Amino acid sequence: QKEVEQNSGPLSVPEGAIASLNCTYSDRGSQSFFWYRQYSGKSPELIMFIYSNGDKEDGRFTAQLNKASQYVSLLIRDSQPSDSATYLCAVNMGDYKLSFGAGTTVTVRA
Amino acid sequence: SQTIHQWPATLVQPVGSPLSLECTVEGTSNPNLYWYRQAAGRGLQLLFYSVGIGQISSEVPQNLSASRPQDRQFILSSKKLLLSDSGFYLCAWGGSSYEQYFGPGTRLTVT
Repeated sequence: QKEVEQNSGPLSVPEGAIASLNCTYSDRGSQSFFWYRQYSGKSPELIMFIYSNGDKEDGRFTAQLNKASQYVSLLIRDSQPSDSATYLCAVNMGDYKLSFGAGTTVTVRA
Repeated sequence: SQTIHQWPATLVQPVGSPLSLECTVEGTSNPNLYWYRQAAGRGLQLLFYSVGIGQISSEVPQNLSASRPQDRQFILSSKKLLLSDSGFYLCAWGGSSYEQYFGPGTRLTVT
């Protein structure tokens, strides 16, 4: 079983819609969860992180965490063509390491 | 503010040749440092991480090695490259909340 799993995608959404990305993790002891955006050919960029159950909002992005279900999600509201990228979910596995999912590619249609 | 540099940006090397990739961080002291590899269309694979000068932890057995000669310098090396070493090599430094920040990366093609 993979430590961090994401919907493989690709996810195609129309401009202005909500993009919903999902991530599950296997280690029930995980405490920190991160979302990265990676444009094609570029390095990953940290979007936001979440530690507590519930929602955390930052601009058009909302991260949702449910530790009981071992589930973390990212919502992108009012999706723009510039949001077209691969989104990586990462989970802190202890010892200062992160385990990354394979990523979900999002395409926003104008 | 913190800045992370990697060079070179791209590299084409023949099989069997040596490799040296360098990463430096500015604006922070004693950061945790990481080397990742991302093969085409694949996820991030942690190769090495370091919590201090001279302290290197290896995650994947391979023909690569890492060194940290200075507090904010992390070097990835190989004595003889394999075709399978091709990929996008990313250096990252760790923040205080376990988040990691990536450098621009080095795209390595082994021919």
